[in-house]
Amino acid sequence: QKEVEQNSGPLSVPEGAIASLNCTYSDRVSQSFFWYRQYSGKSPELIMSIYSNGDKEDGRFTAQLNKASQYVSLLIRDSQPSDSATYLCAVSTSSNDYKLSFGAGTTVTVRA
Amino acid sequence: NAGVTQTPKFRILKIGQSMTLQCTQDMNHNYMYWYRQDPGMGLKLIYYSVGAGITDKGEVPNGYNVSRSTTEDFPLRLELAAPSQTSVYFCASSYRERNEQYFGPGTRLTVT
Repeated sequence: QKEVEQNSGPLSVPEGAIASLNCTYSDRVSQSFFWYRQYSGKSPELIMSIYSNGDKEDGRFTAQLNKASQYVSLLIRDSQPSDSATYLCAVSTSSNDYKLSFGAGTTVTVRA
Repeated sequence: NAGVTQTPKFRILKIGQSMTLQCTQDMNHNYMYWYRQDPGMGLKLIYYSVGAGITDKGEVPNGYNVSRSTTEDFPLRLELAAPSQTSVYFCASSYRERNEQYFGPGTRLTVT
């Protein structure tokens, strides 16, 4: 089982809709969770971090964490063409000595 | 702050050649990382460092070497380049406590 799995894409949504990205992880002691956005040919850019169960909102982005279900998600509200990118889920556990494990990414395309 | 900088941006190597990928950060981060990213794949950790003089292997260290003589610099050395090392290489850094990693722009390496 992979340490971090993301729903396979690509995900195509119309402009103005909500894009929903999912991520599951295998290590129950995972403590820190991150979402990165990566435009084609560019480096990953941190957009959200979440450390405790529940929701965390930042502008049009909402991260949701459920440690019991080992599940973290990212919602993008009012999707814009500029949100078209690959989104990487990353998970850190104390047993990994602060290293991050990354999922393979979900590619999102927002249709104008 | 420039953040994390990497040089060169692009490089073509012949099989058996060697080179050093440079990485510098000006955020006074203790932790630094080297990743490689192959098409359609997530990020794989090559080496990491928790401070000057301390380095450790990640998931895919074979064929690479690192050093960390200062807090700011974390060069990655490729010895005897092989086609399997064709990839995009990212350097990242973080504060220890929160582990939000910030990435450099990347180096696209082709070995032919």
